[in-house]
Amino acid sequence: GENVEQHPSTLSVQEGDSAVIKCTYSDSASNYFPWYKQELGKRPQLIIDIRSNVGEKKDQRIAVTLNKTAKHFSLHITETQPEDSAVYFCAASKRGGTGGGNKLTFGTGTQLKVEL
Amino acid sequence: SAVISQKPSRDICQRGTSLTIQCQVDSQVTMMFWYRQQPGQSLTLIATANQGSEATYESGFVIDKFPISRPNLTFSTLTVSNMSPEDSSIYLCSVVGTFPLTDTQYFGPGTRLTVL
Repeated sequence: GENVEQHPSTLSVQEGDSAVIKCTYSDSASNYFPWYKQELGKRPQLIIDIRSNVGEKKDQRIAVTLNKTAKHFSLHITETQPEDSAVYFCAASKRGGTGGGNKLTFGTGTQLKVEL
Repeated sequence: SAVISQKPSRDICQRGTSLTIQCQVDSQVTMMFWYRQQPGQSLTLIATANQGSEATYESGFVIDKFPISRPNLTFSTLTVSNMSPEDSSIYLCSVVGTFPLTDTQYFGPGTRLTVL
């Protein structure tokens, strides 16, 4: 089955700096890569996702890049703010079809702390 | 996005008892999943709840321990049977196939279970 590795496990940055979180996956058939933000005591919230037919996607201060050949994808947060502090999870799945489509395999999570 | 609710939001149970968690969505969805998140850990998929048929379980999870029902396209239940302290976790349902983002996966608020 799919295996997703995520680094680093903790990340501390100064407000205004950039943060980068990296994930690798094992199953070359995976084609959908969402990122979730989970604040303490809250549910995971989707912040951005990317599909295997594109290499980069951006939404304001957040961007995700995908390298299918190397089987890795990264989350980039620019101009970090204290409210960005949370645990971030990457995930991978195979979209569509039957027999297991849309099952998410999660990375181990990154605790991001944005310091003033 | 769909509004997803779970009941109960939290519970404290005694060893050897069972607890049934409900997941209700305000619109029909194509897929529903159940995940477990142990304290300070990532999310692990327990099973896919199939409408009108038996759930599909992931490796390490069995029907006798985690029976699941999905009688229609908006509702599912997960039962944690014969509980032990190791079952203390947050249990989250998720859904896929809500209008208009048909393959985005959204999570319920979770049920925090403590087993004494």
